Amino acid sequence: DVKVTQSSRYLVKRTGEKVFLECVQDMDHENMFWYRQDPGLGLRLIYFSYDVKMKEKGDIPEGYSVSREKKERFSLILESASTNQTSMYLCASSAQRGGTDTQYFGPGTRLTVL
Amino acid sequence: QKEVEQNSGPLSVPEGAIASLNCTYSDRGSQSFFWYRQYSGKSPELIMSIYSNGDKEDGRFTAQLNKASQYVSLLIRDSQPSDSATYLCAVRGGTSYGKLTFGQGTILTVHP
Repeated sequence: DVKVTQSSRYLVKRTGEKVFLECVQDMDHENMFWYRQDPGLGLRLIYFSYDVKMKEKGDIPEGYSVSREKKERFSLILESASTNQTSMYLCASSAQRGGTDTQYFGPGTRLTVL
Repeated sequence: QKEVEQNSGPLSVPEGAIASLNCTYSDRGSQSFFWYRQYSGKSPELIMSIYSNGDKEDGRFTAQLNKASQYVSLLIRDSQPSDSATYLCAVRGGTSYGKLTFGQGTILTVHP
């Protein structure tokens, strides 16, 4: 059974703090993705990675960075959290092989920045 | 023009009826098409994927794809109150790495 886990379900941080969100998948997937989801704006891609140490900017990368040192783990970093980064953050992963490219999502982290 | 557009909701249907959800996309090179269901406060979960023109059925769900018209739909037969959720259409374009573009979602409510 596919499994994507995220380090926290709920997180409260203060403005200016450095925030780490971690995502782990156990499906040996090559691709991993970070999204944020806000009411009325849908799912927006922040960054994605197609291999270890490889990353590509998504649609809204400003204020975020990522790290992928191991295939199963993809971290999202908020260098200096701001209130407009309060959101639901979703991690997903997918395979590159076998003709199937379904993205599987983790449970999400609801981040509040005060 | 948005890359992936879904019919505006919310959509309300009575229990037992057919719910019809529609999605259009702009990239003619799109390869893969997905429907996800998202309950309030939860993450999206895959319902159906479809890759070639025509219909694909899975239980009460049928996905329909028409690449010429750049249109994909999801039909839910015998709708149940437990089907009440937001339905997201997602499309993989001609680019690599499995990047998906999501529609804004359609809220479906099935009332008893």
